[in-house]
Amino acid sequence: SQKIEQNSEALNIQEGKTATLTCNYTNYSPAYLQWYRQDPGRGPVFLLLIRENEKEKRKERLKVTFDTTLKQSLFHITASQPADSATYLCALEMSADGLTFGKGTHLIIQP
Amino acid sequence: GAVVSQHPSWVICKSGTSVKIECRSLDFQATTMFWYRQFPKQSLMLMATSNEGSKATYEQGVEKDKFLINHASLTLSTLTVTSAHPEDSSFYICSAPRLGVDTQYFGPGTRLTVL
Repeated sequence: SQKIEQNSEALNIQEGKTATLTCNYTNYSPAYLQWYRQDPGRGPVFLLLIRENEKEKRKERLKVTFDTTLKQSLFHITASQPADSATYLCALEMSADGLTFGKGTHLIIQP
Repeated sequence: GAVVSQHPSWVICKSGTSVKIECRSLDFQATTMFWYRQFPKQSLMLMATSNEGSKATYEQGVEKDKFLINHASLTLSTLTVTSAHPEDSSFYICSAPRLGVDTQYFGPGTRLTVL
């Protein structure tokens, strides 16, 4: 079965710097990969989706890359702010089934 | 944007009782909804797929007789935790995909605590 690894449980970044989170998966490459934000006690909120034929996707201060050769996606937040502090989840969709999530990376932006 | 709601947002119950959690898609119809469970500091784990008008499909290791799912309409799915025990205490989250959109919309979650 597909396994997803987000290589940092927690990441501390100074405000204004770029935060980079990593998501690696095993087995077959999915048609697309998604990133979600989850705040404590809340459900995940969709951020970005990138397809297998896309190298990069941007949305405001967010950027996602997808390397199907390395089986890896990188998620960047530029000009980070304390309000960006949250847990960020990488997720893959398995055909018609629900999403398979990584454990998430708890990002802390320090002022 | 599309909104999914859950009710209740939190519930505390005694061991042995049953608890029903509702998931509603507020501004779109969802023939499929998904139920996830999340333990502290763990990721979301898919429990089951709720299908409108037919039986739910459960992931391996999830007891279908314990977690009853009913998808009675195109905007409502319910998850009933029967004979709840303390180990069922968790954060239950539902989601619904929207036709024509690749992503899923998640509810705010329901915190279940079984005493």
